[in-house]
Amino acid sequence: AQKITQTQPGMFVQEKEAVTLDCTYDTSDPSYGLFWYKQPSSGEMIFLIYQGSYDQQNATEGRYSLNFQKARKSANLVISASQLGDSAMYFCAMREPGAQKLVFGQGTRLTINP
Amino acid sequence: DAMVIQNPRYQVTQFGKPVTLSCSQTLNHNVMYWYQQKSSQAPKLLFHYYDKDFNNEADTPDNFQSRRPNTSFCFLDIRSPGLGDAAMYLCATSRFQGQGNTEAFFGQGTRLTVV
Repeated sequence: AQKITQTQPGMFVQEKEAVTLDCTYDTSDPSYGLFWYKQPSSGEMIFLIYQGSYDQQNATEGRYSLNFQKARKSANLVISASQLGDSAMYFCAMREPGAQKLVFGQGTRLTINP
Repeated sequence: DAMVIQNPRYQVTQFGKPVTLSCSQTLNHNVMYWYQQKSSQAPKLLFHYYDKDFNNEADTPDNFQSRRPNTSFCFLDIRSPGLGDAAMYLCATSRFQGQGNTEAFFGQGTRLTVV
């Protein structure tokens, strides 16, 4: 059974600083996909970034990058130059091939202070 | 342009009174999901459709049902809402191609209050 763990219930960061949100996962399948979503207070889930287990390079999307360490089964999200609008819940999620469903971690509430 | 649309955004229902939440998509995705999310918790998958095939999670109460009359629409029916069913309900879609590499697109959610 797959499992996603986010060990940081809350993070507080000063504006313009970089922040790393932790995510570890557990799967016996060599092929899987890892996703990060942002959920602002409005409730909608916004897709941020994707990393495939066979991808040779760490994924990047603008200010978001993924620190993927396959041997350690970790997929940490790095947000550079944080902004006030980055304050939200952040969820790590995983899907295995052949499995249609996306399973989420517990989430990390990020607060950016001015 | 909204691609996954949930109606209504806010729903208030009486204890025990059936309620239906709706979701529509313009992405022509073959998979549609319903998640329940309670305050400060992770979204919990209730069930999903892969085309017309319904897949129920083992721990989803019988009180929750779903219908998918066509590719674009999916409904969540709560037959007898209890106070514990108050939550945000998220609909999502995805194009499943046998790999784990396609993200799910979410609607804005319906916040259900039970009084």
